Amino acid sequence: AQSVTQLDSHVSVSEGTPVLLRCNYSSSYSPSLFWYVQHPNKGLQLLLKYTSAATLVKGINGFEAEFKKSETSFHLTKPSAHMSDAAEYFCVVRGYNQGGKLIFGQGTELSVKP
Amino acid sequence: NAGVMQNPRHLVRRRGQEARLRCSPMKGHSHVYWYRQLPEEGLKFMVYLQKENIIDESGMPKERFSAEFPKEGPSILRIQQVVRGDSAAYFCASSPWDEGGQPQHFGDGTRLSIL
Repeated sequence: AQSVTQLDSHVSVSEGTPVLLRCNYSSSYSPSLFWYVQHPNKGLQLLLKYTSAATLVKGINGFEAEFKKSETSFHLTKPSAHMSDAAEYFCVVRGYNQGGKLIFGQGTELSVKP
Repeated sequence: NAGVMQNPRHLVRRRGQEARLRCSPMKGHSHVYWYRQLPEEGLKFMVYLQKENIIDESGMPKERFSAEFPKEGPSILRIQQVVRGDSAAYFCASSPWDEGGQPQHFGDGTRLSIL
């Protein structure tokens, strides 16, 4: 069975400083991994996805994530936070034999201080 | 707007009433997924449908909940005899086919409140 654990429920950074949102996964197979962002009262927007190609994945809005099999991690980073990045971020796994089902982490709320 | 369309955005029901949530997938997408988000929690899978078929309903409560995706028209998530615990945000997602790397595209959700 697949699962994801987001290690921080809340992260606070200052505008212009780096962002690190941590995610560890558990999977018996080579997983497909995603990061989604959710702004208040909105749906989820895909930031980036990993599907066994390059281990460093670049996404939208300057975000990127690195797949590390040895550490079973897929942390999300951004070099410089912007006020508009404040939102809820979800690490998501979709396993090889899980059909269409996405399995979500509990989410990390990112706050950005001016 | 060619995105996933959900309606209504907000739905208020009294205990015992029925709630119907609708989802129109993105154009060209034949796979629909429903997820539920309880307050302060991540999304939980409910059901996965293709046109006229339920593929995986392992996340659906055994009673009162049903889903369909007819040949024509939107997918419907139906909750009968609603209770306070059904209050949540319900999200629909769609994808063009079922393959591991295909991302799912989400609608803005229906926020269901039970009085």
